[in-house]
Amino acid sequence: EAGVVQSPRYKIIEKKQPVAFWCNPISGHNTLYWYLQNLGQGPELLIRYENEEAVDDSQLPKDRFSAERLKGVDSTLKIQPAELGDSAVYLCASSLQGYGEQFFGPGTRLTVL
Amino acid sequence: QKEVEQDPGPLSVPEGAIVSLNCTYSNSAFQYFMWYRQYSRKGPELLMYTYSSGNKEDGRFTAQVDKSSKYISLFIRDSQPSDSATYLCAMMDSSYKLIFGSGTRLLVRP
Repeated sequence: EAGVVQSPRYKIIEKKQPVAFWCNPISGHNTLYWYLQNLGQGPELLIRYENEEAVDDSQLPKDRFSAERLKGVDSTLKIQPAELGDSAVYLCASSLQGYGEQFFGPGTRLTVL
Repeated sequence: QKEVEQDPGPLSVPEGAIVSLNCTYSNSAFQYFMWYRQYSRKGPELLMYTYSSGNKEDGRFTAQVDKSSKYISLFIRDSQPSDSATYLCAMMDSSYKLIFGSGTRLLVRP
């Protein structure tokens, strides 16, 4: 069974540029999560989807971050414009239900110069 | 004060040692307790998932939860170099939002 797929794995951009990350969850998983992980820290939730609906986006900085999950499968996380402080690893995870085991992808490592 | 506190380490032990990893928390609403292992450049993977106070064993791993003290532990017996990774504790309340500790780096020396 394929795990959570994320692309790109690495991204280097200059500040003020836009950037987008893509996630394909495990087949059949209704719940999808985007996390931010800074160096030496644990992941922090940005947004949680139940199918197409964003049920928890309270930690998403909505002035520059946006996310979508079309058709309740793949998801895209966008930052526009990127700032130096956005340099981090962006992790996508999925689970069968909201309380179930979360399976993580390998993450996208973003560097903003 | 963070909701979940975890010593960042690094913790260096010889192969075969018993490893003890710990987290404390402040939110009494946490009901579900997990330990994740994260290798460098990889995403976290679930090791242990417990619901109530007490012990849960899986192979060389034992998870312990003490809700009265708001303290959880992970023990690794007969540690191996392949156990070298960052170990993250995580907790969830009834809203199913997962709160992670900052992780403890473990190095098992051959």
